[in-house]
Amino acid sequence: EVQLVQSGAEVKKPGESLRISCQGSGYDFTTYWIAWVRQMPGKGLEWMGRTDPKDSYATYSPSFEGRVTISADKSISTAYLQWSSLKASDSAKYYCALWFGGSRFDSWGQGTLVTVSP
Amino acid sequence: QSALTQPASVSGSPGQSITISCTGTTSDIGTWNFVSWYQLHPGKAPKLVIYEGSQRPSGVSSRFSGSKSGNTASLTISGLQAEDEADYFCCSYAGSRTLLFGGGTKLTVL
Repeated sequence: EVQLVQSGAEVKKPGESLRISCQGSGYDFTTYWIAWVRQMPGKGLEWMGRTDPKDSYATYSPSFEGRVTISADKSISTAYLQWSSLKASDSAKYYCALWFGGSRFDSWGQGTLVTVSP
Repeated sequence: QSALTQPASVSGSPGQSITISCTGTTSDIGTWNFVSWYQLHPGKAPKLVIYEGSQRPSGVSSRFSGSKSGNTASLTISGLQAEDEADYFCCSYAGSRTLLFGGGTKLTVL
């Protein structure tokens, strides 16, 4: 069974750094790109960017370019989303998903809730 | 790039059919036949219900169907059931390996 398991909820202060993870299992981790999607409280989904697990190459939505870093480590079948300096506006639930091409995300992680508060 | 436009809410009674629209532009829905729809129940991970405009993944009920006309995609759910009550999001490929989501539509089963 294909599974994406994300790291647990985080509570951070503004200015702190953070890396959350998404571990894949049940498939060849290098086969599909992994995307990250944000859902702010009470809001819709936003595509942030994606990584190719073969080489960790990433591309970003213009809205998130420069604000986050997306990467992957194929040796441990894990993708990452990281911030160097969090803002309160980064408080949201973050999902990873397997991108099968087009706009097709077949499998999703359970989501990681990030809360940034003084 | 702006989000795709969806109605904030739709509702229907059990057994009825509802349609949720998703309007984009010639840069996304109008050009690419890569529209997908996702169902979100509170506290759960999103679930793919339609991809490539009208294709249903294995295991998704045939009550879910998708279509596209011009810059607008649509999701139709027939024979509404209580379990269909959820938020629904459309998503379109927008070229240059980027994607856009809609703002989401809350479906209430009366």
